Amino acid sequence: GENVEQHPSTLSVQEGDSAVIKCTYSDSASNYFPWYKQELGKGPQLIIDIRSNVGEKKDQRIAVTLNKTAKHFSLHITETQPEDSAVYFCAASREAGTALIFGKGTTLSVSS
Amino acid sequence: DGGITQSPKYLFRKEGQNVTLSCEQNLNHDAMYWYRQDPGQGLRLIYYSQIVNDFQKGDIAEGYSVSREKKESFPLTVTSAQKNPTAFYLCASRGGLNTGELFFGEGSRLTVL
Repeated sequence: GENVEQHPSTLSVQEGDSAVIKCTYSDSASNYFPWYKQELGKGPQLIIDIRSNVGEKKDQRIAVTLNKTAKHFSLHITETQPEDSAVYFCAASREAGTALIFGKGTTLSVSS
Repeated sequence: DGGITQSPKYLFRKEGQNVTLSCEQNLNHDAMYWYRQDPGQGLRLIYYSQIVNDFQKGDIAEGYSVSREKKESFPLTVTSAQKNPTAFYLCASRGGLNTGELFFGEGSRLTVL
């Protein structure tokens, strides 16, 4: 089955810096890669996703890149703000409608 | 408002007792999921259901049971056979086969005393 590895497990940055979180996956048939943000005491929320026919996708300060050959994808957050502090999860699945397999999460702390 | 409601938010259980966590959605979604979250372990899939009266085991189904008698409801029972049940449990739903986004509830924290 699919296995998703996520790094780093914790990341501390200064406000205004960029943050990068990386994930690798094992199943070459996976073609849907979402990123979720979880704030303390709440359920995760989708922040951006990418499908395998696209190499990069941007939404304001966040972007995701995908390298299918190397089987890895990354989340990039620019101009970080304190409200970006949260746990971020990457995930993968074969199709957008099948069960997601999640990475172990990255705790991002943005200090002002 | 549309969304997913999990209850109770906090639950305490004595060893040897079964407990059922409720998950209700009014999003008219076909698929529903249960994940378990432990510190440093991410989200691990327990069970999922793509349609009423059908469900499949996830990666860590042992010691858990589910039912899907109604589209809106997907309760999870943590049985006494689950060796380490203390965890944060998250329910989610998804609209359709080509719809990627999972909508999560706010979770239920189970503590075994």
